[in-house]
Amino acid sequence: DQQVKQNSPSLSVQEGRISILNCDYTNSMFDYFLWYKKYPAEGPTFLISISSIKDKNEDGRFTVFLNKSAKHLSLHIVPSQPGDSAVYFCAASAWRGAQKLVFGQGTRLTINP
Amino acid sequence: SAVISQKPSRDICQRGTSLTIQCQVDSQVTMMFWYRQQPGQSLTLIATANQGSEATYESGFVIDKFPISRPNLTFSTLTVSNMSPEDSSIYLCSVSSSSWEGYSVSYNEQFFGPGTRLTVL
Repeated sequence: DQQVKQNSPSLSVQEGRISILNCDYTNSMFDYFLWYKKYPAEGPTFLISISSIKDKNEDGRFTVFLNKSAKHLSLHIVPSQPGDSAVYFCAASAWRGAQKLVFGQGTRLTINP
Repeated sequence: SAVISQKPSRDICQRGTSLTIQCQVDSQVTMMFWYRQQPGQSLTLIATANQGSEATYESGFVIDKFPISRPNLTFSTLTVSNMSPEDSSIYLCSVSSSSWEGYSVSYNEQFFGPGTRLTVL
């Protein structure tokens, strides 16, 4: 079973606008969530994380929102830039980083000029 | 964040052979992991590499097929044994470190190496 789901395989956004990537999870034991960005032929790059005790975390243009009751998190990128074009993976852990990360399928984000 | 390198970056291998992938970190880390990303799929954890002891494997992965070593806090190897075309994947190592937060240990974000792209003919 897919414990972490990213239901949109792709997303296209105009440069300067907001990109919103969504992620749903089913396992109530998850208490730590991360977003990674991956370019072709490279390993995933850590972007931002959030603990289950928070509902929002910001880092520059990136903001992650967590809705525990809905088991849903989202990544907002604003403003979107061409360099943001990549595959974005949502991941979850039951113990901050020490246990395994369970990844979603990824969403390919394309920023159009 | 730690700088992580993997060797080889890519390889094409024949069915039935084995390949050992190396992961080197530029600083001591607490945890090292090995993941696999099959074509068109997400990342799946193979095992946690434990220093000085046997690796901890996830369901569906066994030591005979994926032997792992971790002789120290900066280096680990993953061997893909008796390869078949189904083993064609990107293999990635990741690392994380721990820190004390109050009275408990907290583990920080995992950082990934560049990956090894394996093609088995």
